[in-house]
Amino acid sequence: GENVEQHPSTLSVQEGDSAVIKCTYSDSASNYFPWYKQELGKRPQLIIDIRSNVGEKKDQRIAVTLNKTAKHFSLHITETQPEDSAVYFCAATSWGGFKTIFGAGTRLFVKA
Amino acid sequence: DAGVTQSPTHLIKTRGQQVTLRCSPKSGHDTVSWYQQALGQGPQFIFQYYEEEERQRGNFPDRFSGHQFPNYSSELNVNALLLGDSALYLCASSLETGGWMGNEQFFGPGTRLTVL
Repeated sequence: GENVEQHPSTLSVQEGDSAVIKCTYSDSASNYFPWYKQELGKRPQLIIDIRSNVGEKKDQRIAVTLNKTAKHFSLHITETQPEDSAVYFCAATSWGGFKTIFGAGTRLFVKA
Repeated sequence: DAGVTQSPTHLIKTRGQQVTLRCSPKSGHDTVSWYQQALGQGPQFIFQYYEEEERQRGNFPDRFSGHQFPNYSSELNVNALLLGDSALYLCASSLETGGWMGNEQFFGPGTRLTVL
């Protein structure tokens, strides 16, 4: 079945450093790749997304890259701040937009 | 503009019982997806409803069923509850744009189900 692998499971960085989270998906028909941030006890919230016809997208300190050939996509957070501390999930949505598979999550700690 | 709402917030049931969870989508949205999130895990796709029909299902048994109403709200029903059904159940709404590509999903706050 479809699968999304996410690494690392835990990431600890100093404030101001960059953080990179990597995901690999199995369904080559996936065409939409959202990233969600989930703070403790709260709902997942979309922080950035990318579609299969785009290789890179940036929004202020956050960027996502997609390599369709390798079925890899990555989240890059620059100039990290303590408020970036949370669990981040990557996901891949199948063609048609009917089914979204999530990775297991990365717990990011930003130390002040 | 109300976001996605879910009820109840918390629920405690015993094994073998049945439960119904409710979701109201964000205003203007017509598609509802349900997810199960176990502690420390990513959300697992249960199914998606559009035009009052289940149009895609994840790897969940038939004990999990759902419904979507004409006003786009949705229910998730779980029969014959097992201890392993204890989790946070999230619903997410989106707008179908017909482009055969996924669209942003907005999540509700979830219902925390505990099965004893």
